[in-house]
Parts: sequence; structure tokens; C-alpha cells
Amino acid sequence: RKEVEQDPGPFNVPEGATVAFNCTYSNSASQSFFWYRQDCRKEPKLLMSVYSSGNEDGRFTAQLNRASQYISLLIRDSKLSDSATYLCVVTRGSNTGKLIFGQGTTLQVKP
Amino acid sequence: GAVVSQHPSRVICKSGTSVKIECRSLDFQATTMFWYRQFPKQSLMLMATSNEGSKATYEQGVEKDKFLINHASLTLSTLTVTSAHPEDSSFYICSARSDSRGDTQYFGPGTRLTVL
Repeated sequence: RKEVEQDPGPFNVPEGATVAFNCTYSNSASQSFFWYRQDCRKEPKLLMSVYSSGNEDGRFTAQLNRASQYISLLIRDSKLSDSATYLCVVTRGSNTGKLIFGQGTTLQVKP
Repeated sequence: GAVVSQHPSRVICKSGTSVKIECRSLDFQATTMFWYRQFPKQSLMLMATSNEGSKATYEQGVEKDKFLINHASLTLSTLTVTSAHPEDSSFYICSARSDSRGDTQYFGPGTRLTVL
């Protein structure tokens, strides 16, 4: 079983749509959780950290359910520029600093 | 945000040659640097963790004699792919982390290696 699992998609949505991505992780000792964005042939860039209380950054909302080991990302009012691969990332265990990446979910926003 | 550079950004080499990739943290001291590899349509896979002045820790399945990592200073780590073969062709990305900046890792722009 993969340490971090995501539906690879692709998700094809029209501009303005709301889209949600989900992710599950297997290591209950993981302490930190993130969503990264990766554009084609580029390095990943941090989109947002994810906290148990849920957090929002503009059109993006992230949720964490530690009991279910489940992480989500909601994007509202999708823009063409949101087209990218979204990577669910967790730390392996506590205080290791090691990031474990999911396969990524590809989003294509169409006009 | 912090800046991490990688050099070269792209390299094409013949099978059997060795390739060195540099990763530098430009505006902070990186206590830990990580090396990842990403094959097409796959996720980033952690290869190794290096702390300044000590030996790198390799992930299971990564050959330490093939992927030599040196972290000689707080701003520079190098990855050398020795005797590269076509199956080593991949996107290699480093990241840097500072204890003073918590869990945040800053990624370099990556190096695309093609072995002919």
C-alpha cells in the first residue's frame, strides 16, 4: 500500500467550477500535512499547510481528519491558471522532516 | 520565501559517465537537504536525506554507491550519479530545510537528466 494515495484524475472542469481532491495516508504518526502544486516539468510549490481545524486561503480550503487519515482540498471558482497537478504531502513520522508525496491529482480547467 | 538553486537545470550524457548536480540554498543556512527523483507521470520519491557534515541517509532501494551525496556546507549539497545508465534518466529535485524555519522545505527548480 502506498504511504499517500490520491486519485490521479484527470479532473476536467469548466472555469468557475468548484472541485475537491481527496487523499489518504497510512502512517498515523505523521505530524505535518501539506498540499503542493506542480506545473508540468517544474518543481513542486507549497500551496498550503493543512491543519486539523481546517484552513482557508482565498479560494482554497484544506481539511484534515486525523481519525480517518484523510486530507482534502477544495478549490472554489476555478481559474484557468489553477490547471496543474496537486500533490498531497505528509511527513513520515514525527520530526523526521521527510516529506512523502502522493502521486498527484491532475486538474485541467477549461474555458 | 527562501531560494534554492540547482545546477545544471538540464544535462544529457552518455551511458557510463558520472553526473554531478549541485543544490544551493541562497539566502539561508540549510541544516538538512533532501534529494528526490521523479519519473514521468509519477510522484516525487525521496532518495536520501543529508545533514551538513555527516553521511547521507538513503531510503530503502536507493543505492548509496551509485548516488553519492555530499553536504559539505550549510548552503551546498551535491548529488553525483555514478556510471549513469538510461534507466537513471529522471527529474532530480533537491529541497532544503532549516531548523529555524520549522517543517517548511524549499525546493530547487530541478535537474532533468537524460542518459543516452
